[in-house]
Amino acid sequence: AQKVTQAQTEISVVEKEDVTLDCVYETRDTTYYLFWYKQPPSGELVFLIRRNSFDEQNEISGRYSWNFQKSTSSFNFTITASQVVDSAVYFCALTLLSGGYNKLIFGAGTRLAVHP
Amino acid sequence: DGGITQSPKYLFRKEGQNVTLSCEQNLNHDAMYWYRQDPGQGLRLIYYSQIVNDFQKGDIAEGYSVSREKKESFPLTVTSAQKNPTAFYLCASSARTGFNEQYFGPGTRLTVT
Repeated sequence: AQKVTQAQTEISVVEKEDVTLDCVYETRDTTYYLFWYKQPPSGELVFLIRRNSFDEQNEISGRYSWNFQKSTSSFNFTITASQVVDSAVYFCALTLLSGGYNKLIFGAGTRLAVHP
Repeated sequence: DGGITQSPKYLFRKEGQNVTLSCEQNLNHDAMYWYRQDPGQGLRLIYYSQIVNDFQKGDIAEGYSVSREKKESFPLTVTSAQKNPTAFYLCASSARTGFNEQYFGPGTRLTVT
């Protein structure tokens, strides 16, 4: 079964704290991609990162970093020195090729609240 | 600017009425998708289309219908057969082949009373 689990429903931090959002996935496929999306209060999902199953290099983009570990089927997302603008719901997603199209399987999301 | 537009942002309907949600993209993407989001939950796929005049059911297609007459447009009709239509609806598009990321519109919040 293909599944994405985000065990943290809500996280609350104070500005400038570091915070890590966990994502664990299940798939039998050897080729797949993992994504993170941000959903601010406006509702639109914003694409953050795509990582393929063959590339386990960690990635850093400004205050954002991602740790992909195939051995534990995890793709965790860390925000360093959080800011109020980081407050949003964050979704981890797994994509598989199914019938020729890329099917996204979403986790339930983690709501992050960053307080001043 | 390239992107996806959905209208309207908020929609109110009486029970028993069909309602059509608009989705337009100018990203030149072949594939388009409709998702439903309920409070505190992830997104669930309703329908998807890989190419004009072709579309497939997703995981929760019952009570919904779509059409894909133009590459840019993928409207979703919520019919009276949908038992619990109140939700947030998101449209997305992607390049057709491979593991391309999907880009999302701003969503339509539908309330049926």
